Amino acid sequence: ETGVTQSPTHLIKTRGQQVTLRCSSQSGHNTVSWYQQALGQGPQFIFQYYREEENGRGNFPPRFSGLQFPNYSSELNVNALELDDSALYLCASSLEGAGTYEQYFGPGTRLTVT
Amino acid sequence: DQQVKQNSPSLSVQEGRISILNCDYTNSMFDYFLWYKKYPAEGPTFLISISSIKDKNEDGRFTVFLNKSAKHLSLHIVPSQPGDSAVYFCAAAPYGQNFVFGPGTRLSVLP
Repeated sequence: ETGVTQSPTHLIKTRGQQVTLRCSSQSGHNTVSWYQQALGQGPQFIFQYYREEENGRGNFPPRFSGLQFPNYSSELNVNALELDDSALYLCASSLEGAGTYEQYFGPGTRLTVT
Repeated sequence: DQQVKQNSPSLSVQEGRISILNCDYTNSMFDYFLWYKKYPAEGPTFLISISSIKDKNEDGRFTVFLNKSAKHLSLHIVPSQPGDSAVYFCAAAPYGQNFVFGPGTRLSVLP
């Protein structure tokens, strides 16, 4: 059974640029959630995708967007990058929609915006 | 406005002794609570959960206690082992909604 994987591991972008982060969910999982973890803080919920549709969103602006594909893998896109977007981005997969209590996290993508 | 607080950024404990990690929350609608453990360069790993209908849940060396009136929960690790050294996150949610995480407590278990 393959766990949750994320790519790339690290990324450096310039303010104003756009970035795409990728996540492959654990085999059989149909739900993917994305989190932003700033330095010294806990993960903060960005949004969740369930069966290819957005199924809940946290307090993030529209320049944070996502996709989920038929194989349940997912992308997080961030437009017009700002310095404060520098963080560890985590994705987590689970078996159900919102309300599933056991999520399996990937190792994260470390994004640095300069 | 942090809804989930972990007021101790770090904790050091001797191997074999008890580790107690604390978490406070402000939202009375929270009714399910999780603890996650995170090692460097890895994603958080689910450790143990508790729902608001219980005040204690135990899994091996790990026990979570919930005091709803005080809006407080704690994670006890007995006995602590060097492999328990990690960052521990408390997370809480109302039923059917997504989780709010605390800022984490870094536990160091000294041999």
